[in-house]
Amino acid sequence: GDSVTQMEGPVTLSEEAFLTINCTYTATGYPSLFWYVQYPGEGLQLLLKATKADDKGSNKGFEATYRKETTSFHLEKGSVQVSDSAVYFCALSDPNTGNQFYFGTGTSLTVIP
Amino acid sequence: GAVVSQHPSRVICKSGTSVKIECRSLDFQATTMFWYRQFPKKSLMLMATSNEGSKATYEQGVEKDKFLINHASLTLSTLTVTSAHPEDSSFYICSASVGRAEAFFGQGTRLTVV
Repeated sequence: GDSVTQMEGPVTLSEEAFLTINCTYTATGYPSLFWYVQYPGEGLQLLLKATKADDKGSNKGFEATYRKETTSFHLEKGSVQVSDSAVYFCALSDPNTGNQFYFGTGTSLTVIP
Repeated sequence: GAVVSQHPSRVICKSGTSVKIECRSLDFQATTMFWYRQFPKKSLMLMATSNEGSKATYEQGVEKDKFLINHASLTLSTLTVTSAHPEDSSFYICSASVGRAEAFFGQGTRLTVV
């Protein structure tokens, strides 16, 4: 079945450090891929998405490229800020399963000044 | 983007009582809504898929008689936690998707059962 595997946290970085959060997926069809962010006490917000192979999603300095050959969608940011501290979820939506969303376990990021 | 409103954001109830959580799509019609439960420092656990005008589809291990889901219209789905117990205390989140394009999430409801 469909699934998303995400690197476990927590991740602690200093401000302006480079961030990578790994995400790989398994899907029966051709899924869309997403990164969601959850700030403390809040719901999930879409950070970026990619709907087909080789697409790059980007937002707020974050980027992720849909790699079909490696079934990956790693999240990167060149210089993190304290305000980026949150939990990040990788997810996929597969039309073969009625567009149900599958989430990774989430990676907690803490950025220290 | 589309907006999903979830209400209430926080609720405290006594053991044995029932609590209703509403999930509304404000500016689009959602034929399907999803209900998730999030445990501390854990990922989202899909509880059920709610389809307008039909019975919800529950995930394995979720008690359908305890977590009643109603999807009365294309813009409203409700989750009722019946006979709540302290172990039901959690963060509940709803979402609505428009095809495969994106899932829009409510802000979540923090339920505390005392």
